[in-house]
Amino acid sequence: DGGITQSPKYLFRKEGQNVTLSCEQNLNHDAMYWYRQDPGQGLRLIYYSQIVNDFQKGDIAEGYSVSREKKESFPLTVTSAQKNPTAFYLCASRIAGENTGELFFGEGSRLTVL
Amino acid sequence: GQSLEQPSEVTAVEGAIVQINCTYQTSGFYGLSWYQQHDGGAPTFLSYNALDGLEETGRFSSFLSRSDSYGYLLLQELQMKDSASYFCAVRVRVQAGTALIFGKGTTLSVSS
Repeated sequence: DGGITQSPKYLFRKEGQNVTLSCEQNLNHDAMYWYRQDPGQGLRLIYYSQIVNDFQKGDIAEGYSVSREKKESFPLTVTSAQKNPTAFYLCASRIAGENTGELFFGEGSRLTVL
Repeated sequence: GQSLEQPSEVTAVEGAIVQINCTYQTSGFYGLSWYQQHDGGAPTFLSYNALDGLEETGRFSSFLSRSDSYGYLLLQELQMKDSASYFCAVRVRVQAGTALIFGKGTTLSVSS
């Protein structure tokens, strides 16, 4: 079945460590997005990519980095520069160029910094 | 920048009707989406309005007024399983494409 797979589902890290969250989709979507969600809050846009080898910063990109070397993959690295990284991270994709507001989400990765 | 306002909490009883409002201020607006999220889960898409008017999908309807920068989600015949968070999101023009910007969400509690 087509969908978006995020891994790991749960991740613990020590302060000062970088971690990379995986996001893979087999929907053949061009556009991919990373959001961060804190408890009781909405989703905030970290990075997005409309095509391979191109990506842009969202509203809260500081302390994060991404790559888009393949259409199917959009990994997010949470660096040690991110001051408050404990959060729920959601990856999403959509069909670029169509007038739709539908995002397809992965199941999320919950990162806890110890 | 963009801003969205929606109520933080709404309570209702089974079988009732509830309306969740969303007002927005943004540039490069294409349309308004609604998402449902249960605790610990990923958001799921409910509806999208690009044009003014009402869109109906089963028990859920969504409305948009572009001139008023306003929309709402209407949930009818409420069921316990409708207890969840509901987010409005604006689809806006960004560098090299479009993106969805989300509101902070409305927690709906349905009681028997």
